[in-house]
Amino acid sequence: EAGVTQFPSHSVIEKGQTVTLRCDPISGHDNLYWYRRVMGKEIKFLLHFVKESKQDESGMPNNRFLAERTGGTYSTLKVQPAELEDSGVYFCASSRVTGVPYNEQFFGPGTRLTVL
Amino acid sequence: GNSVTQMEGPVTLSEEAFLTINCTYTATGYPSLFWYVQYPGEGLQLLLKATKADDKGSNKGFEATYRKETTSFHLEKGSVQVSDSAVYFCALNRDDKIIFGKGTRLHILP
Repeated sequence: EAGVTQFPSHSVIEKGQTVTLRCDPISGHDNLYWYRRVMGKEIKFLLHFVKESKQDESGMPNNRFLAERTGGTYSTLKVQPAELEDSGVYFCASSRVTGVPYNEQFFGPGTRLTVL
Repeated sequence: GNSVTQMEGPVTLSEEAFLTINCTYTATGYPSLFWYVQYPGEGLQLLLKATKADDKGSNKGFEATYRKETTSFHLEKGSVQVSDSAVYFCALNRDDKIIFGKGTRLHILP
């Protein structure tokens, strides 16, 4: 079974440009999550999809970030326009179920975003 | 609120040394607790978990015990190997969100 995949692995853009990150969850996983780690800080939750619906987007930092999951399969996270403080590693995770005593989320390798 | 605090790194040890990485948490209720590991060039992997007080999670020689009275979940290994070099994250699950500590980078010298 393939794991969570993310594309690209690394993106370098200039301030003001647009970048789109993609995540392909494990097949059959209805739950998809985005997290990010800004340099020197914790990995922080951004949002949670259940199929194509946004279950929780409380961690989205501002309206420059737009996440979509059309058809309930892969997801994209667009940053427009990118700012310097958006630099960091963006992780995607997926899980089969929620609401159980533990909810094992399987993580992708991350996309390292550098905004110059 | 919910948070996780873990010891600052980097931690450098010689092969076969004993490892402890301290982790404490603040949370409402009784969250599940995790240790994730990120090996160089790879994604986050779940190393071990514990879902209730006094549970001990274990995997690959690593152990951690859910201590409610001290709100701790310290990671231990009796004899580390060079291949254990990685970044280790303590975390808890609340409302289907994983809340992470800052991570501890571990270097094991041969």
